[in-house]
Amino acid sequence: GQQVMQIPQYQHVQEGEDFTTYCNSSTTLSNIQWYKQRPGGHPVFLIQLVKSGEVKKQKRLTFQFGEAKKNSSLHITATQTTDVGTYFCAAPNQFYFGTGTSLTVIP
Amino acid sequence: DSGVTQTPKHLITATGQRVTLRCSPRSGDLSVYWYQQSLDQGLQFLIQYYNGEERAKGNILERFSAQQFPDLHSELNLSSLELGDSALYFCASSGQGQDNQPQHFGDGTRLSIL
Repeated sequence: GQQVMQIPQYQHVQEGEDFTTYCNSSTTLSNIQWYKQRPGGHPVFLIQLVKSGEVKKQKRLTFQFGEAKKNSSLHITATQTTDVGTYFCAAPNQFYFGTGTSLTVIP
Repeated sequence: DSGVTQTPKHLITATGQRVTLRCSPRSGDLSVYWYQQSLDQGLQFLIQYYNGEERAKGNILERFSAQQFPDLHSELNLSSLELGDSALYFCASSGQGQDNQPQHFGDGTRLSIL
């Protein structure tokens, strides 16, 4: 069956450091979505990637979709305490959400 | 505010009992999804409804059932509850239920089984 792995599971960074989370699938994905869940909150849609090799930016966040459409990454530049939360990738056509990467930012 | 309303916010009950969780989707959204999130776990897809009809089913136990009503609100019924059913249950909605549309999540119902 569909296997989508997300790593790392946890990441602690000093404020100002960069952060990256990776999502890897065993099969080709038609598209991939990223969500953020703040502690005690609900997942909130961040972005969707559809095209092979696509790169999208939202301020300090950079999202990439691999050429083979089997992997994706989210990179945050110069983390801030407001970035704290769990970041999920989602393969919506399989109704699959990754296990998430929990980001802690140390002031 | 996502526009998705879930009630109740918290539910505490005992093993063997039955509960009903309710979800009202965003205005105009036809599709509703149910997810289970256990401690330190990702979101486990349970079931999707579109305009009143079941569209997709995930890892939903036979003790669980759901439906979507003509007014598009949805209910998730959990019966013969076990300790392991303690979790956060999220409802999400999207416009047409296509996989290229973002899902909008409610605040969830936290279910605690004693």
